[in-house]
Amino acid sequence: TQLLEQSPQFLSIQEGENLTVYCNSSSVFSSLQWYRQEPGEGPVLLVTVVTGGEVKKLKRLTFQFGDARKDSSLHITAAQPGDTGLYLCAGGQGAQKLVFGQGTRLTINP
Amino acid sequence: KAGVTQTPRYLIKTRGQQVTLSCSPISGHRSVSWYQQTPGQGLQFLFEYFSETQRNKGNFPGRFSGRQFSNSRSEMNVSTLELGDSALYLCASSLVREWGEQFFGPGTRLTVL
Repeated sequence: TQLLEQSPQFLSIQEGENLTVYCNSSSVFSSLQWYRQEPGEGPVLLVTVVTGGEVKKLKRLTFQFGDARKDSSLHITAAQPGDTGLYLCAGGQGAQKLVFGQGTRLTINP
Repeated sequence: KAGVTQTPRYLIKTRGQQVTLSCSPISGHRSVSWYQQTPGQGLQFLFEYFSETQRNKGNFPGRFSGRQFSNSRSEMNVSTLELGDSALYLCASSLVREWGEQFFGPGTRLTVL
């Protein structure tokens, strides 16, 4: 069974601080996706990384795929209250179903 | 382009009843996946349909079933409901199957009493 472990599970920081969320597995994935989910809504895709060592930036968010394609990180610079939400990583392997991590619940306090 | 829609948004049932949830994918998306989300277990994959055929199935009992119609709309059914079936049921559609990028609907919140 492929597992994705996210850490931390909960994170509460002040506006303007930086943070990093980690997503780790013992399995190799062909792609790694990050989603953000807000209360009462479904997850929304933020980014997909597919190449080992790949780095993608989305405004203040930086996503990295590990060289061995087993882990990923999400770094947020100067966090804002609008970044609050549940962040989920999901691994894909070919045409198989996505495997989701447990999620990181992020709260940014004004 | 309209997003994924799910109906109903909220549902309350009692133990032993059955329920049917509906999902309309984004136009042109032929793959539809269903997930169960609970605070304790997170997002767990139920099954995936592509062109009316179930291609993948998660580790859920046979009480959970689904189908897909020729217009790609999908339904999932849960029979003999149990208290533990209370969850947010999410439907997601996909176009580029290779990378499995999923576009989620808002979900159906099912409460079993």
